[in-house]
Amino acid sequence: AQSVTQLGSHVSVSEGALVLLRCNYSSSVPPYLFWYVQYPNQGLQLLLKYTTGATLVKGINGFEAEFKKSETSFHLTKPSAHMSDAAEYFCAVSESGTYKYIFGTGTRLKVLA
Amino acid sequence: DTEVTQTPKHLVMGMTNKKSLKCEQHMGHRAMYWYKQKAKKPPELMFVYSYEKLSINESVPSRFSPECPNSSLLNLHLHALQPEDSALYLCASRQELAGGGETQYFGPGTRLLVL
Repeated sequence: AQSVTQLGSHVSVSEGALVLLRCNYSSSVPPYLFWYVQYPNQGLQLLLKYTTGATLVKGINGFEAEFKKSETSFHLTKPSAHMSDAAEYFCAVSESGTYKYIFGTGTRLKVLA
Repeated sequence: DTEVTQTPKHLVMGMTNKKSLKCEQHMGHRAMYWYKQKAKKPPELMFVYSYEKLSINESVPSRFSPECPNSSLLNLHLHALQPEDSALYLCASRQELAGGGETQYFGPGTRLLVL
């Protein structure tokens, strides 16, 4: 069965510092992987996705993620945090053969002035 | 355009009321979803419609009744809800990608409070 683990339910960074949000997955088949961001009282917005091809994926708002098969990881990074990045971030994997996503438990990012 | 719209934005209802949530997408996607999200938790899948037919029901209580009148529209009918059903209800549509893969696009949600 596929699963997603997000390490760290809360992450705090200073404004201008590197953002690193961790996501590990388990899958017996090549996965499709996603990062979503959710601002308070809003829906989920797609940040970026990995399906096939290039393992370094660039998304919106300066975020990127690298698919590392050997480490079963898909960590999200941003070189310089901005106050507006404060939100909940969800990693998800598309469950093969179904219409379902498996979500991680989420990481709340706090950006300190 | 990857927009999914949901109405209403907020809804307050009593336990004896009947209300409906509405979701629309005009991206030509053929699968649409209802999720329930409690505070500080990831979304929980409720229903999936594929080509206007119900393909997944995650053992959701019958007080929630989905409907897909056409490929662009998805409704969720609510009746005799309980206070624990208070949550953010999210709709999503699924884009299938050429060459494999898919992506779900989410609406802004309806914040439901059951009194």
